[in-house]
Order: sequence, then structure tokens, then C-alpha cells
Amino acid sequence: GENVEQHPSTLSVQEGDSAVIKCTYSDSASNYFPWYKQELGKRPQLIIDIRSNVGEKKDQRIAVTLNKTAKHFSLHITETQPEDSAVYFCAASKSGTYKYIFGTGTRLKVLA
Amino acid sequence: NAGVMQNPRHLVRRRGQEARLRCSPMKGHSHVYWYRQLPEEGLKFMVYLQKENIIDESGMPKERFSAEFPKEGPSILRIQQVVRGDSAAYFCASSPFLRDRGRNAEAFFGQGTRLTVV
Repeated sequence: GENVEQHPSTLSVQEGDSAVIKCTYSDSASNYFPWYKQELGKRPQLIIDIRSNVGEKKDQRIAVTLNKTAKHFSLHITETQPEDSAVYFCAASKSGTYKYIFGTGTRLKVLA
Repeated sequence: NAGVMQNPRHLVRRRGQEARLRCSPMKGHSHVYWYRQLPEEGLKFMVYLQKENIIDESGMPKERFSAEFPKEGPSILRIQQVVRGDSAAYFCASSPFLRDRGRNAEAFFGQGTRLTVV
């Protein structure tokens, strides 16, 4: 069945360093890949997304890359700040739906 | 626009009772998705509904769980005869239309209902 694997499950970085989270999806029909940030007890919030016709997208300190051939996509956060500490989820979906297959999450800790 | 509203935020039920979770989508949104998040895990798709129709319920347990999205009023996720394993956060998301290449709307998540079965 459809599956999204996410690594690492936890990640600690020093403030100012970069953080990279990687995901792999199984369904080659997937064409939309959002990333969500979830703070403790709160709703998941979309931080960036990428569609399959694009290889890279950047928004200030956040970037996402997509390798369709390898079915990999990654989140890159540069110049990390303590407020970046949260759980990050990748997801994949197909055309015509917001039915997401989520990864298992990465707990990011940014150490001041 | 108040966003996606879910209530209650916290719900405690004894084993065997029924749980009713409500989701009011954003104004103008006619598509609702329910997800379940077990403690320390990711979100798992449960069901996708449009007004008065269940479109995809492939993630719903076969027994005790049901969902509806009536013509008027919120979407309801109903869990009958709850068990301890039903304890989780239940999130709904809404969107204004089907996602396709020409439209860039995102699906917005509600704050979730945290169900605790004691």
C-alpha cells in the first residue's frame, strides 16, 4: 500500500546550524508533497509544499527538494532558531485529493 | 473566517460509551477529511467526505466508527463503544475544492479533539 518513510525520528541541532529531514514515498502517482509543522498540542500547519513538476522550492530559511526518480523529498531549514523546535511531518498525495499519506514525524530540537 | 473549528477540544469517555466529534469546515469549504493521530505517531487518514457523501473511507475501522457531513451543520465523526485504543487526537481538515494543478489552495487543519478513554 501507499507508504511514506521519514528520517530521522529525532534531530537536535545547535542554533544557527542547518537541519535536514528526508522522506521517501512509495506511490509513483503521488504528485504533491506538503510539509507540516506541529507544535505540542496544536494543529499541523503547512510550512512549505512542492509539486512534482518542480525540483526545488525555497521560502526564506526553508527549502524543499524533490527527486521524482528516486521518490525522495527533503526539507532543509537553515539558520535554525529555537522557535523552529517542533515535530515536522512530510506527506504525499495524488491529484484531485487532499488525502495525505503522512510520514511518522521528526522531532526537531534547536538548542540555544 | 474563523478557520476549521473542532469541538470539543478535549473529550473523556468511559469504555463502552459513545464519542461524537464535530468539525465545522472553513466558510466556503465543502470537502472534509478526518485524520487520527495516536500518541507519538503521525497522522493517519480516516475518511474523506463532501456534503452528504462519503467519498473515501478506506482508513476507517470497519466497526464502531462512522462519519457524516450533512447538508446543514458540521461533519460528525462518531465512535461507538469506545475502547482504550481509541484514545488519540482526531483532526479534521477542509478544502474548498479538489486539488489539481491549476489551484493552489491548501487543506486547513482544525485544532483537533483529544479523546481519552478511561
